[in-house]
Amino acid sequence: EAGVAQSPRYKIIEKRQSVAFWCNPISGHATLYWYQQILGQGPKLLIQFQNNGVVDDSQLPKDRFSAERLKGVDSTLKIQPAKLEDSAVYLCASSLMAFRDTGELFFGEGSRLTVL
Amino acid sequence: ELKVEQNPLFLSMQEGKNYTIYCNYSTTSDRLYWYRQDPGKSLESLFVLLSNGAVKQEGRLMASLDTKARLSTLHITAAVHDLSATYFCAVVEEYGNKLVFGAGTILRVKS
Repeated sequence: EAGVAQSPRYKIIEKRQSVAFWCNPISGHATLYWYQQILGQGPKLLIQFQNNGVVDDSQLPKDRFSAERLKGVDSTLKIQPAKLEDSAVYLCASSLMAFRDTGELFFGEGSRLTVL
Repeated sequence: ELKVEQNPLFLSMQEGKNYTIYCNYSTTSDRLYWYRQDPGKSLESLFVLLSNGAVKQEGRLMASLDTKARLSTLHITAAVHDLSATYFCAVVEEYGNKLVFGAGTILRVKS
């Protein structure tokens, strides 16, 4: 079974530029998550989708971050304009149904962003 | 707001020794996860603990949960180099749907 795919794996940009990350979850997984992992910290949830609807985006900095999940499958996370403090690994995860129902998240390998 | 604290944050161990990583959380929870992360890799689920007193073991790792104390432990027995990684605990607030992670414990096993 293919895992969660993310791209690009690495991205270096200058501050105020924009960047987009793509995630393809495991086939059939209804729930998709984007996490931000800053060096030395645990992952922090940015946004959670159930199919193509947003369940939780309370920690998404909406002035610069946006995310969408078209047709309930792939998702993109965009940052515009980027700040130095956005340097982090952006992890995508998916689960078969709502997280509480299945109890397991599957994580991708992440997209590492460096903002100069 | 749910807070999750792990200690120690960094652990250097000799091969063959035993040690314990601690995970404390601040509010009532009904499930706790332990994950492993190798450098540049994704998080790998190790254990899911669902009830007070739950204990799970896999190889040299054993996890336990005390919901009354809001504490989970990850015990490492006779450490080997292959266990070197970062270990995270993550907690779901009771009746909630958000997974909150601790800061992680970097484990280095020296031969």
